[in-house]
This record gives sequence, structure tokens and C-alpha cells, in this order.
Amino acid sequence: GIQVEQSPPDLILQEGANSTLRCNFSDSVNNLQWFHQNPWGQLINLFYIPSGTKQNGRLSATTVATERYSLLYISSSQTTDSGVYFCALYNNNDMRFGAGTRLTVKP
Amino acid sequence: NAGVTQTPKFQVLKTGQSMTLQCAQDMNHNSMYWYRQDPGMGLRLIYYSASEGTTDKGEVPNGYNVSRLNKREFSLRLESAAPSQTSVYFCASTMTGANPWQYFGPGTRLTVT
Repeated sequence: GIQVEQSPPDLILQEGANSTLRCNFSDSVNNLQWFHQNPWGQLINLFYIPSGTKQNGRLSATTVATERYSLLYISSSQTTDSGVYFCALYNNNDMRFGAGTRLTVKP
Repeated sequence: NAGVTQTPKFQVLKTGQSMTLQCAQDMNHNSMYWYRQDPGMGLRLIYYSASEGTTDKGEVPNGYNVSRLNKREFSLRLESAAPSQTSVYFCASTMTGANPWQYFGPGTRLTVT
């Protein structure tokens, strides 16, 4: 199956700092999503991004499918950004998640 | 819209007991999924249903069965629970098409002793 690797596994930031989270994957995929799991366990969609670049407020994502990686950028981080960020890839309903990046934003 | 709902929120079972986790969505989505999340890990797909009346195995199906009762409901059954099935279980749904966002339920925390 598809192998998905996320880095770094843990990240600690001061409020206001910027960060880049990376997702590498082993095979070509139909689509890719980024999720945020908040400290209460809720999973929230951030981006559906099989290729190209998208922006939503302070967050943006870029996927370079030919080089098999995706990046999630968080600018001007806030304490509410804390949690775990997952990328997930799927081909024909076979969905694979990375192990996540745990982000802690300190006030 | 309630989105994706799951019941129960918490459950404790003894080894060998059975139970069914319920999931329902009110977004008219075609596809539904069951995942498990173990501590410090991402989600792993147990089973999915691409449409009403169809189900398929995911990455970790052993020890589980599913039923797609209708378009709204997708249940997960543990016939004989084992401690290795202690986990948080998430149900999700997605509309097939050009923008297949996955929407997740709040999860069920299951402990098997």
C-alpha cells in the first residue's frame, strides 16, 4: 500500500511564528487531504489538494504530485492551531494516513 | 445538519463480549468509512462502503464486520472483543466526485479489558 511519512513528528512554536509541515508519499495518488485534530480529538478538514497550491486564511498547502510531497504552511501561528496535523492520501477508496505532526503553540 | 454522528461516545467491554458501533450521516454522501486510531498514530482504515449495499476491507479488517444499512447508516461490529481492539473509532463520510472531502464523526473511545 501507499507509504506516507510526515515530518517533523513534533513541533513547538511561540505564538506568531511560522511553520512548514511536510508529507512525503510513495506512490502516485488520486487525491490528498490535510486534517487538523484538535486537542479534544475532533478531526477537521483543512485542504483537499491533489496538486497545486491553495490558501485559506493563515494556512496554505502545496502538493507537487510528480515529486510525491505536500507541504502545509501555517503563518502567524495561534494557540488554537495546536493539535495534530495529518495528511491522508487515497486511491480508489484505499485511504492512508501519515502518523501526524504534533504542533504545540505557546503563548 | 448534524453531519456525522456516532454512538456510543465511550464503551468498556470485557474480552469476548460483542458490540456494535453506530454511525449515521445526513449529508447524502455515498461513501462511508470506519477507522481506528491508536495512541500516537494516524488513522487506519478498517472497512469502507463506496455506496449503499457494498462494503470492502481496508487496511486492518480482521476482527470486525460492517453493515451498510442504508445510505445514511454504516455500523461496525466487534463479534468477540480483544484487548488489541482498544482504540478510538472514527466514522467518516464523503461525497464522491470532484471534491471528495472526508467528514468525520466525533469518535467512540473503546476499552477492552
